[in-house]
Amino acid sequence: EDQVTQSPEALRLQEGESSSLNCSYTVSGLRGLFWYRQDPGKGPEFLFTLYSAGEEKEKERLKATLTKKESFLHITAPKPEDSATYLCAVRFGAGSYQLTFGKGTKLSVIP
Amino acid sequence: GAGVSQSPSNKVTEKGKDVELRCDPISGHTALYWYRQSLGQGLEFLIYFQGNSAPDKSGLPSDRFSAERTGGSVSTLTIQRTQQEDSAVYLCASSLDRGREDEQFFGPGTRLTVL
Repeated sequence: EDQVTQSPEALRLQEGESSSLNCSYTVSGLRGLFWYRQDPGKGPEFLFTLYSAGEEKEKERLKATLTKKESFLHITAPKPEDSATYLCAVRFGAGSYQLTFGKGTKLSVIP
Repeated sequence: GAGVSQSPSNKVTEKGKDVELRCDPISGHTALYWYRQSLGQGLEFLIYFQGNSAPDKSGLPSDRFSAERTGGSVSTLTIQRTQQEDSAVYLCASSLDRGREDEQFFGPGTRLTVL
């Protein structure tokens, strides 16, 4: 059973059509949930870290929220340049440092 | 540039050959990580270095994989007797290792193809 599950696997939006990506996790002892953006042929680019339920963070058209079982990445009025794969990762357990990643959501924003 | 760099960007090799992948972390970052990204899979943790401490090798898939970090900076990931299932993008990341407030910064990766 995957510890981090992202949905949907792929999402196509029209420019300006707001939506949300989901990341659910089954680990205990969460020490951080991370969102990254990955463009083709490049390494993941850090977006947000969330630490506790109820926390929210925003950056331009993106807003990340966290509950006890899942996180949402809300995209408001997306533009074509927001097209990328969005990765969710968790760090859990005492003294841990490695990240456990989901498989990602590939977002395509059509002009 | 001040980011994590990796070389080569692409590597094609024949089954059974050894390969070395290099990572230059961000200057001043004490922690260094290797991950593997296979087609259709999430990033998979391989190994973690922190300062002069013994590395955490718990994610290495077999004894054909090894890594070292010289002088607390540059790291090399070595895969011996490569197999086709080793084909993947190998990503390196570094961080300041500030505990909970730690952000990992990734390099562009090395795409390894084993024929």
